[in-house]
Amino acid sequence: DAGITQSPRHKVTETGTPVTLRCHQTENHRYMYWYRQDPGHGLRLIHYSYGVKDTDKGEVSDGYSVSRSKTEDFLLTLESATSSQTSVYFCAISPPQGDGNTIYFGEGSWLTVV
Amino acid sequence: ELKVEQNPLFLSMQEGKNYTIYCNYSTTSDRLYWYRQDPGKSLESLFVLLSNGAVKQEGRLMASLDTKARLSTLHITAAVHDLSATYFCAVDDGGTSYGKLTFGQGTILTVHP
Repeated sequence: DAGITQSPRHKVTETGTPVTLRCHQTENHRYMYWYRQDPGHGLRLIHYSYGVKDTDKGEVSDGYSVSRSKTEDFLLTLESATSSQTSVYFCAISPPQGDGNTIYFGEGSWLTVV
Repeated sequence: ELKVEQNPLFLSMQEGKNYTIYCNYSTTSDRLYWYRQDPGKSLESLFVLLSNGAVKQEGRLMASLDTKARLSTLHITAAVHDLSATYFCAVDDGGTSYGKLTFGQGTILTVHP
């Protein structure tokens, strides 16, 4: 267990409403990531963070914003949800660089925009 | 732009048979990951391959990395039903913040009796 908790795990929301997904880690790792998973695309990086208040865009960042005010929490916000943002969202954390260290993923948040 | 391609995308195997999943990537990287995902679940780390020629084995699965060919393989030996899952390879784009992964599309493996 990598000590990652995502919330909510499931959410249905209406088009145009704001949505925030939370990722909480207990490992005190510096790097955190948000990915989305869609059929036929594997996982794609949305945003990532390399420390408190330090974030950057990934491959599919349009329509998303993030914030990291504490080491343990990384928030993903959809300012105005659209149907194309219906997806499964995974948070990930990476330990300090070192041989064999893997990237750990949370349990996922299923988001449906209707 | 880093691209990662897996093949096959769908694999139906009989129990007891051997098969290989291939993962090709387009730009230089020396860190490659293999993950397993069961339906509705998170990603489970299988292997981290860090250098050219790296080979790792766990049970019936063996992964290898050829950085010169930009190719990784996941070999399945004597498949059993419990191996049915989706398998992803992912390549790190390098830099200081490792963990920025580009994933393949995934290989859906079904093992039949």
